Formats: sequence, C-alpha cells, structure tokens
Amino acid sequence: AQSVTQPDIHITVSEGASLELRCNYSYGATPYLFWYVQSPGQGLQLLLKYFSGDTLVQGIKGFEAEFKRSQSSFNLRKPSVHWSDAAEYFCAVSDYKLSFGAGTTVTVRA
Amino acid sequence: DGGITQSPKYLFRKEGQNVTLSCEQNLNHDAMYWYRQDPGQGLRLIYYSQIVNDFQKGDIAEGYSVSREKKESFPLTVTSAQKNPTAFYLCASSIDYRGGNTEAFFGQGTRLTVV
Repeated sequence: AQSVTQPDIHITVSEGASLELRCNYSYGATPYLFWYVQSPGQGLQLLLKYFSGDTLVQGIKGFEAEFKRSQSSFNLRKPSVHWSDAAEYFCAVSDYKLSFGAGTTVTVRA
Repeated sequence: DGGITQSPKYLFRKEGQNVTLSCEQNLNHDAMYWYRQDPGQGLRLIYYSQIVNDFQKGDIAEGYSVSREKKESFPLTVTSAQKNPTAFYLCASSIDYRGGNTEAFFGQGTRLTVV
C-alpha cells in the first residue's frame, strides 16, 4: 500500500533563510507526488506536483521540489522564506486516491 | 468562479445525533473525496466517489455514510456510531481517478464539534 512519511513535525526558520521539508514515500510503481500547503482553519492549496519527466519541479510561491527515485524522496525547498510561508505543509502520493503524510508545521521568526 | 463549497464552516452536534456536512463542486469533476483531519495525524480518507451513484470506503469509514446522487454533490453524514467525531472535515474533488491524475482541489473545511 502507498504511504508517505514526513519526518519533521515542526520546523522553525528565520525570515530570509532557506527551507527544506522532507518527504519519503512508499509506492510500488512510478508515483504521482504532490505538495500542499494549509493555513490555519483553511483548506489545502496545491504547491506543486510531479507526474513524470524532469525531476526538479517548480511550483507556486517560489517553491520547488526534487524527486529522487533512489531515495524514495520528494523534498520541498524554498531559497528564501517569507513570514507568509508560515503554515502546515503536506506531502501526498497518489495512485487513484491521495494518501497524505502527517504534515510539517513551519514557523517563521523575524 | 469554479470551486468547492463546504457548508457550514462550523457545526455543533449533541452526542447521539446524526449530522450532515454539505459539499458542492462546480468544476465538473468526476471524483470526490472526504477527509478527516486531526492534529498531528494529517488527512485520513473517509469515503471517495469516482462516479455518480458509486462510492467506496476509505481508511476510516466506520460511523460515516455518504451519497452521490448528483455529480456536483457529495454529502457526508456523521452518525451517532462515530465514537470521536470532533474534527476538521475536508471535501475535495479531482477531474477523475484514472491514471493517478488525482490532483485534488479542496474546500475550506467544516469544523465539527460534539457538545
């Protein structure tokens, strides 16, 4: 069965610093991978997705993610964090339905 | 504007009562989903529907029921059999389920509290 692990429950980063959120997946075939962001009390917004092709994927809000099959990873990165990036981030894998990781909460300090 | 509408945003229920959460989409999507979100547990799939008049149980379907009589609507009923219903409920839809193309679009959620 497909599954996703996000090893970091909470990350604190200074504004302007770089951010990397880890995601490891378990899936037998070529995975379809997603990163979503959620602000408190809101729904989820898609940041980026990987279906095939180039392993470095660009998303919205300056985020990117790299698919590494050998490591079963799909880590999310942003070179310079803004205070508005404080939110919860979810990695997900799909075959015909989405399975989500437990999420990583990002706190941005001034 | 196209999107997914969940109502109400906040819902209070007395123990022993059934309650229905509404989810409507005007994206012309075939597939619809209900997720439950609890702190530290991510999103867990309750039910999903790939086509009208058909739906399947997800990972935590016990104590919940759904219907899919129209393409645009996928209401979720939380029954009295659900032991711990207080949670944040999210509805989502996607174009279809085939080929893994399940980029999902989410509603704003309903927070259910049992009092």
